[in-house]
Amino acid sequence: DADVTQTPRNRITKTGKRIMLECSQTKGHDRMYWYRQDPGLGLQLIYYSFDVKDINKGEISDGYSVSRQAQAKFSLSLESAIPNQTALYFCATSDRYFSGYTFGSGTRLTVV
Amino acid sequence: RKEVEQDPGPFNVPEGATVAFNCTYSNSASQSFFWYRQDCRKEPKLLMSVYSSGNEDGRFTAQLNRASQYISLLIRDSKLSDSATYLCVVNIGSRGNEKLTFGTGTRLTIIP
Repeated sequence: DADVTQTPRNRITKTGKRIMLECSQTKGHDRMYWYRQDPGLGLQLIYYSFDVKDINKGEISDGYSVSRQAQAKFSLSLESAIPNQTALYFCATSDRYFSGYTFGSGTRLTVV
Repeated sequence: RKEVEQDPGPFNVPEGATVAFNCTYSNSASQSFFWYRQDCRKEPKLLMSVYSSGNEDGRFTAQLNRASQYISLLIRDSKLSDSATYLCVVNIGSRGNEKLTFGTGTRLTIIP
């Protein structure tokens, strides 16, 4: 099994729908992150969490919300999806010594 | 000015050649630096950390120049399997608040 698992792998949804992307990890890391990747723009930080009670906005948090249900689980929600949220979404984890990120395989989201 | 800037390429290089990428960063207080590799539609994977003294891992050499705020990656004796996008990554957070900022990536294609 992968250390960082994202579900679903692919999703097509309609404008205005609420959608949740899920991330779970078996690495025992405290820190979890959500990024989105668009062609030519690189990865942009949406939200991050350093422990269960800590949630922080990243550079592009508008239109998104998150929930850290447990140390191992960090979910990203789009309350009302819009087409410009079509992107590849990655969850990542790191330990408190910050030796780098481990990424999940990504969720490809298309909003039509 | 972007926090992390890379030449997007593409670099098309014959097999066996040496290729070098540079990356500049804007925050002089940045503390840690990485190169990640990303294959098409896959998650980024840590290639190597970049240390002040420079470091080498097989055919790969990373250098950091703090005075000029740039990072480099050198690949010697390039292989077909080196074809990928290489992401320059900088930790722009302070200790205890680490967050990675990604460059847009440099695409490398090794030609047989």
